[in-house]
Amino acid sequence: GAGVSQSPSNKVTEKGKDVELRCDPISGHTALYWYRQRLGQGLEFLIYFQGNSAPDKSGLPSDRFSAERTGESVSTLTIQRTQQEDSAVYLCASSLALGGSTEAFFGQGTRLTVV
Amino acid sequence: QQQVKQSPQSLIVQKGGISIINCAYENTAFDYFPWYQQFPGKGPALLIAIRPDVSEKKEGRFTISFNKSAKQFSLHIMDSQPGDSATYFCAAGGSQGNLIFGKGTKLSVKP
Repeated sequence: GAGVSQSPSNKVTEKGKDVELRCDPISGHTALYWYRQRLGQGLEFLIYFQGNSAPDKSGLPSDRFSAERTGESVSTLTIQRTQQEDSAVYLCASSLALGGSTEAFFGQGTRLTVV
Repeated sequence: QQQVKQSPQSLIVQKGGISIINCAYENTAFDYFPWYQQFPGKGPALLIAIRPDVSEKKEGRFTISFNKSAKQFSLHIMDSQPGDSATYFCAAGGSQGNLIFGKGTKLSVKP
């Protein structure tokens, strides 16, 4: 596709349920990021995949959060036993080169609401 | 070491005025300093970026000023327009790590 695609665009879930968010990066982009953005707040780094290297998981807020990426393609962010504080927009971005030194292209985000 | 501090949190400017947003970083390994613009309901989009080998970069009405010794960089929007009203994020990155964002500045340009 032409850009980073995220699905679903909106997700409402009940507290305690698991959710899976999907990100399709731009083809050929080796780096992929997940960020969380609470209402009116900044971008909170969650996890960073860099080619075939071990991902940087230092931003994951708890062990309820995990993410996977298959090669240089699709990534999924999974939140287990969702809590109301998990309500936010989850943004995915990809970039052409390894490392944070080239333009990152963002998707539109998935708006997660935990009720 | 990994933080990027951004100020102000919000900014109101009259049409035609200059908007200035400042950022500071700590990690000297950073070598890429982009600014992103985000409109409500959209993902952030790259506005302009600079590398530390230059002190200033200008693209149209947007200018980045970079002070390597002070570890600071700023975005200047000249002749600010109502269409510039958005949230602006500075960021810093390096080849060995990921992209770290500031907390954002909500800019409102009044007609």
